[in-house]
Amino acid sequence: LAKTTQPISMDSYEGQEVNITCSHNNIATNDYITWYQQFPSQGPRFIIQGYKTKVTNEVASLFIPADRKSSTLSLPRVSLSDTAVYYCLVGDLRGVLTFGGGTRLMVKP
Amino acid sequence: NAGVTQTPKFRVLKTGQSMTLLCAQDMNHEYMYWYRQDPGMGLRLIHYSVGEGTTAKGEVPDGYNVSRLKKQNFLLGLESAAPSQTSVYFCASRASGRDNTGELFFGEGSRLTVL
Repeated sequence: LAKTTQPISMDSYEGQEVNITCSHNNIATNDYITWYQQFPSQGPRFIIQGYKTKVTNEVASLFIPADRKSSTLSLPRVSLSDTAVYYCLVGDLRGVLTFGGGTRLMVKP
Repeated sequence: NAGVTQTPKFRVLKTGQSMTLLCAQDMNHEYMYWYRQDPGMGLRLIHYSVGEGTTAKGEVPDGYNVSRLKKQNFLLGLESAAPSQTSVYFCASRASGRDNTGELFFGEGSRLTVL
């Protein structure tokens, strides 16, 4: 299983763009990169998934360079409600997905 | 559409007692997982199942047993609870085959305290 490394915590202000980078140097050919969001006392919630290049949905963008050894989750114009823990997961769609420690994002007014 | 439902949501046990957590999903998913999350930490995989009648160990399986007798249900058992098992337990499921996008669907969690 590819190990991931991401910052423990980040602070931002409302309206700013937030970029959270995840390192996964030993990512395998069949591995996908998936990001989850978790609010206190709730289960994680899927945000976005990608294999290479850029993926965008209604809540976030995911940038993956050609070597796929890292990825960046981009949250445009964050609000207070985006305060949460964000997890980067790397793995085969048919395999087990393991969570790291995540990044605690604090959005301030 | 209920998704993933966990029962009970809260439970207090004494050391040595046993209990079972039930996870039920109505999405016809093949894969099901049990994670535990300690305060301020990420989720750790306890056991998982890739289909009815199959189970496998995850990262932290000791002290737990599981069963998947029906496709929609995944049970997590504690035979002799210990204070170290105080945690929030999350169940998750995901599809397989053509429907498999890799997305995990989580329950709301079960908060267990062992005194």
